[in-house]
Amino acid sequence: GAVVSQHPSWVICKSGTSVKIECRSLDFQATTMFWYRQFPKQSLMLMATSNEGSKATYEQGVEKDKFLINHASLTLSTLTVTSAHPEDSSFYICSARLTGQETQYFGPGTRLLVL
Amino acid sequence: TQLLEQSPQFLSIQEGENLTVYCNSSSVFSSLQWYRQEPGEGPVLLVTVVTGGEVKKLKRLTFQFGDARKDSSLHITAAQPGDTGLYLCAGRRYLDDMRFGAGTRLTVKP
Repeated sequence: GAVVSQHPSWVICKSGTSVKIECRSLDFQATTMFWYRQFPKQSLMLMATSNEGSKATYEQGVEKDKFLINHASLTLSTLTVTSAHPEDSSFYICSARLTGQETQYFGPGTRLLVL
Repeated sequence: TQLLEQSPQFLSIQEGENLTVYCNSSSVFSSLQWYRQEPGEGPVLLVTVVTGGEVKKLKRLTFQFGDARKDSSLHITAAQPGDTGLYLCAGRRYLDDMRFGAGTRLTVKP
């Protein structure tokens, strides 16, 4: 149980285009989902917290107009990187927390390369 | 400044050796998780500890949560090459989100 999927697993796009990444909790409902970014050989940095039915809460330094988050249902959150630039190239990982529990379960990650 | 300080940052040992990874903070956590991450994959949960002083064992891995819930340790006995990976501790403060330590990159040589 507690499986989180992400789609796509990797994406290559041109600079200036937008990319949408989906995060789904497959066998549980998650009122809260999280988006992280991880650069090579570094740890995970929290970008934003996504609550179902409400606006996402962004960490300091993360542009909300550039990284659009939508959490429309209890099993799906999306992250859209708008007007992507090469410096946005990174490994994006989502996680979901079971309602009322402490543990977060992570998706397999999406590797984004912006040319 | 990281909320959670992990040490060591890098560790390279021979198969069969024991090792301990530490995760320290000045903050109190409602829970702390340990994850293992392989290159190109998401972190995989190893354990969640919630009670001060709690000790959990997972085969050759022993996890301990400090009495004050500010620190934790991961001890691996008789390490194997399959244990190679990035070990991450992550803590959640009350009504707050989970934050990660910088990670410990472990290499176990055959």
